[in-house]
Amino acid sequence: EDQVTQSPEALRLQEGESSSLNCSYTVSGLRGLFWYRQDPGKGPEFLFTLYSAGEEKEKERLKATLTKKESFLHITAPKPEDSATYLCAVLRWGAGNNRKLIWGLGTSLAVNP
Amino acid sequence: DVKVTQSSRYLVKRTGEKVFLECVQDMDHENMFWYRQDPGLGLRLIYFSYDVKMKEKGDIPEGYSVSREKKERFSLILESASTNQTSMYLCASSLSPGQGNTEAFFGQGTRLTVV
Repeated sequence: EDQVTQSPEALRLQEGESSSLNCSYTVSGLRGLFWYRQDPGKGPEFLFTLYSAGEEKEKERLKATLTKKESFLHITAPKPEDSATYLCAVLRWGAGNNRKLIWGLGTSLAVNP
Repeated sequence: DVKVTQSSRYLVKRTGEKVFLECVQDMDHENMFWYRQDPGLGLRLIYFSYDVKMKEKGDIPEGYSVSREKKERFSLILESASTNQTSMYLCASSLSPGQGNTEAFFGQGTRLTVV
């Protein structure tokens, strides 16, 4: 069964304390892996797309990497404004109904000043 | 700047009412989606559409219907609202593989409360 699992469920960091969030997946016909940030009461905000193993993307303090089984979102020297829920999703694309984004449940990140 | 706009941020409706949630995107995307998001359950797909007048059931279509008469607009309809449909509703749109980057862009969400 296609599945996306994120860990940890929650993470609390001190400002400046670097860490990584994990997204592992078992999805056939993968056509992209996506990272989103979601603030409370708002829609998810797109961060990165990764298409193939070995690919890396960076934006400010965030860096996303992809292997054949998992992706990591590395957060370097986080600030309190990085506090949010980070969601991972994998796109499966086939004929008709066999096309969908499969979502993880997210990692809730809190960065203390 | 890409934009997906949902018609309401907050809605309060009574049990049994027919409810319309509207979503408009300005990116000429083929694919549009409706999700609901509940604590501990994550994002669950209600319906999606990959072309005008086309629709596919998602994981939880019961109690909902959709309409896509124009490419830029995707409507979610609650035929007879019930309290268990109280949730955050999220609309999204994307391109298909082969047409460009496939990431989905989301609207700001509609917090629906059914009383």
